[in-house]
Amino acid sequence: GAVVSQHPSWVICKSGTSVKIECRSLDFQATTMFWYRQFPKQSLMLMATSNEGSKATYEQGVEKDKFLINHASLTLSTLTVTSAHPEDSSFYICSTGTAGPYEQYFGPGTRLTVT
Amino acid sequence: QQQVKQSPQSLIVQKGGISIINCAYENTAFDYFPWYQQFPGKGPALLIAIRPDVSEKKEGRFTISFNKSAKQFSLHIMDSQPGDSATYFCAASMTGGTSYGKLTFGQGTILTVHP
Repeated sequence: GAVVSQHPSWVICKSGTSVKIECRSLDFQATTMFWYRQFPKQSLMLMATSNEGSKATYEQGVEKDKFLINHASLTLSTLTVTSAHPEDSSFYICSTGTAGPYEQYFGPGTRLTVT
Repeated sequence: QQQVKQSPQSLIVQKGGISIINCAYENTAFDYFPWYQQFPGKGPALLIAIRPDVSEKKEGRFTISFNKSAKQFSLHIMDSQPGDSATYFCAASMTGGTSYGKLTFGQGTILTVHP
């Protein structure tokens, strides 16, 4: 399977500040990456699709101005949570695939806590 | 129509027993059905996946059974081990169209295997 890394693995920030999360595909070039959010003891919810060299597409109900996604290279996508609030505290996970995007492999996740 | 319903919510099995988790979907456009295993604080790991052109797929102790007419699929874990204790998610996606690659997850099943 594919190897996907995320950085940082956990971050604590103050309300009103911005936080950037990196997602890297380590052993292949990923034209498409997906960002998910997972609240404690809940399932994963797709937030957005990140496409290399073009704008991300966001799922219904996800604020694109709050969750900025940049996919500037074939191995790196970033998610920036702007003006973070305590309700943004969650586990953020990225994924990508090798044999076409439908076979997806997930990163280890980033735990965001907003105080 | 995008929902994937998973049951049971939690499952307790004795070591050596068979764990069975069920999922049902509504959208007939789904054509890829993976199962993921997630340990606390980690990203989901792809276990096994099936396409609707086959009714069963086996990899080691893990088997997916697929019933296209009933729009149901299930995961069977044979000879369950304490190390299998984790949360399991079924998912579904389309391999074509504008929703290409986007995973819709079930609610998750917390599996506990007692030694």
